[in-house]
Amino acid sequence: QSVLTQPPSASATPGQSVTISCSGSSSNIGSETVSWYQQFPGTAPKLLMYNNNQRPSGVPDRFSGSKSGTSASLAITGLQSEDEASYYCASWDATLNVVFGGGTKVTVL
Amino acid sequence: QVQLVQSGAEVKKPGASVRVSCKASGYTFTHYFIHWVRQAPGQGLEWMGMVNPSSGSTTYTQKLQGRVTLTRDTSTTTVYMELIGLTFDDTGVYYCARGTYGAADENWGLGTLVTVSS
Repeated sequence: QSVLTQPPSASATPGQSVTISCSGSSSNIGSETVSWYQQFPGTAPKLLMYNNNQRPSGVPDRFSGSKSGTSASLAITGLQSEDEASYYCASWDATLNVVFGGGTKVTVL
Repeated sequence: QVQLVQSGAEVKKPGASVRVSCKASGYTFTHYFIHWVRQAPGQGLEWMGMVNPSSGSTTYTQKLQGRVTLTRDTSTTTVYMELIGLTFDDTGVYYCARGTYGAADENWGLGTLVTVSS
């Protein structure tokens, strides 16, 4: 059972948008920033978003992040086939841990 | 460029220990934390702990307290993760990642597969 809660799956057709939610508590998302990671099968995770809504260099601007209260979201607009991957949210927790969501597998239909 | 090069795959028996290394290059070693994250087959990401290469101070997830030890060698810019008392549940890929106090950044190792098998 992950500390942060994500839907296990999401899907959309190419060109559409998909939003992934990440629900936490006051001890993590409610008081700390959120990061998002993208992972393809058999490869290391890649940082997609940090400080809630900041994109590292090279990440397309069709990826966007937001945070409100104890929840965060990652939105992908103009979905492309290469976006088919698993996405994980993460945050620092007051228990002195980095906590991850269980991951959301995005399928491009 | 920043590189984190991890040691190779390991196969261990239950009850044994494993040590995985992570050699950092391309940046000032003492300016960033090193996090360890593991992933069991078909499962999600699990944070194990982090080390401050400058001071050597460590923070571990409570779940692994007493079993995991992170150390660093500043002369070789290498961080080591040792896990003792291995069980089948410890099978998975172990990643090191550079980062700040509370988060890993975009620089990750390729991962080291640890298999616990009798």
